[in-house]
Amino acid sequence: DIQMTQSPPSLSASLGETISIECLASEGIYSNLAWYQQKPGKSPQLLIYGASSLQDGVPSRFSGSGSGTQFSLKISSMQPEDEADYFCQQSYKFPLTFGSGTKLEIK
Amino acid sequence: EVQLVESGGGLVKPGSSLKLSCVASGFTFSSYGMHWIRQAPKKGLEWIALIYYDSSNKYYADSVKGRFTISRDNSKNTLYLEMNSLRSEDTAMYYCAKAHLAYWGQGTLVTVSS
Repeated sequence: DIQMTQSPPSLSASLGETISIECLASEGIYSNLAWYQQKPGKSPQLLIYGASSLQDGVPSRFSGSGSGTQFSLKISSMQPEDEADYFCQQSYKFPLTFGSGTKLEIK
Repeated sequence: EVQLVESGGGLVKPGSSLKLSCVASGFTFSSYGMHWIRQAPKKGLEWIALIYYDSSNKYYADSVKGRFTISRDNSKNTLYLEMNSLRSEDTAMYYCAKAHLAYWGQGTLVTVSS
């Protein structure tokens, strides 16, 4: 199985700050990577697909980059509503696998 | 508007069975593959199964292979997950999701405990 190693496990950021979350795949997955946001008690919401394509309706302060084994999610100018858990996920091979998540909190 | 509504969760004893349903609306259900994904309490996400739009192919995570069966009824716009030989480690919120995981349901909670 492809292991997705996500870092950091938690992050505290000030409003307006730019943050990055990293995801490392155990083998090359080209651009078959997605990022999700999950708020408490809610189901995950797709933010980014194909490593860098923004899902419809997602604010442009979210962006994704990377290919192969190294990927990142960037949030430019942290907003209160961005406080959530974030997960990466590969869709290159079955079984689909997720990173362990990053808890993003407001400082 | 795409809607996915899961049901069928509950509290069951180890070794028992349960069948989850996911009713879809707002899109042509029969044209899309569908997934089940679960999340144990305060844990990460685990993909568990995929079924093609026409049921021609099914894929499972090793953790549920041989115990869980994914199926669908395109005439009823409904996805199913039949779960047998349930274990305590199957306790989780179970979500259905459309195709490339762009849309998820609200989840149904399965608790396996004696």
